[in-house]
Amino acid sequence: AQSVTQLGSHVSVSEGALVLLRCNYSSSVPPYLFWYVQYPNQGLQLLLKYTTGATLVKGINGFEAEFKKSETSFHLTKPSAHMSDAAEYFCAVSRTTYNTDKLIFGTGTRLQVFP
Amino acid sequence: DAGVIQSPRHEVTEMGQEVTLRCKPISGHDYLFWYRQTMMRGLELLIYFNNNVPIDDSGMPEDRFSAKMPNASFSTLKIQPSEPRDSAVYFCASNDRGGTEAFFGQGTRLTVV
Repeated sequence: AQSVTQLGSHVSVSEGALVLLRCNYSSSVPPYLFWYVQYPNQGLQLLLKYTTGATLVKGINGFEAEFKKSETSFHLTKPSAHMSDAAEYFCAVSRTTYNTDKLIFGTGTRLQVFP
Repeated sequence: DAGVIQSPRHEVTEMGQEVTLRCKPISGHDYLFWYRQTMMRGLELLIYFNNNVPIDDSGMPEDRFSAKMPNASFSTLKIQPSEPRDSAVYFCASNDRGGTEAFFGQGTRLTVV
């Protein structure tokens, strides 16, 4: 069963506009949540993560995400898009049960940034 | 540390041939993951190991696929026989415990013709 759902396989924004990439998860225990970015022909790089503590987490390149348990969401935002943000973004979850540490990814969202 | 190292970076092989992909995790990491990435199916977890032991191989597509981790510094993913539908980018990743950042290799782009 899919544990992570990313709404929107493609998102397009203008440079300087707000970026919002959506992620919802399913888990039977408090999850660990991640956002990764993939640039063309490269591996995945961690943007930010939530494990415990503060529900608003800040990552690299000005990105942040908020863990909302009531909505089972972990949406990624950036106030002002830059051309260099164009990439594919993956939401991931681990620890979906107390005995599971496998890292499951969503299907990804390709972000395009227009000048 | 040089990060997660995968080899080869590119592999082109003929249908029916055996293919072996290799991964060296970051030293000290005791979790290792193998993923397959395709346009159609995205990033799929194939199998993961903890302390060299396979924990969950439910993502392995069929018996043609096998993975081993003979020691803490080396893992292989083997496809025998290979088929064109196996063409994909295969990633290896490692971390030192659940909930921490998984570091990815650069991937192996496999093309089966």
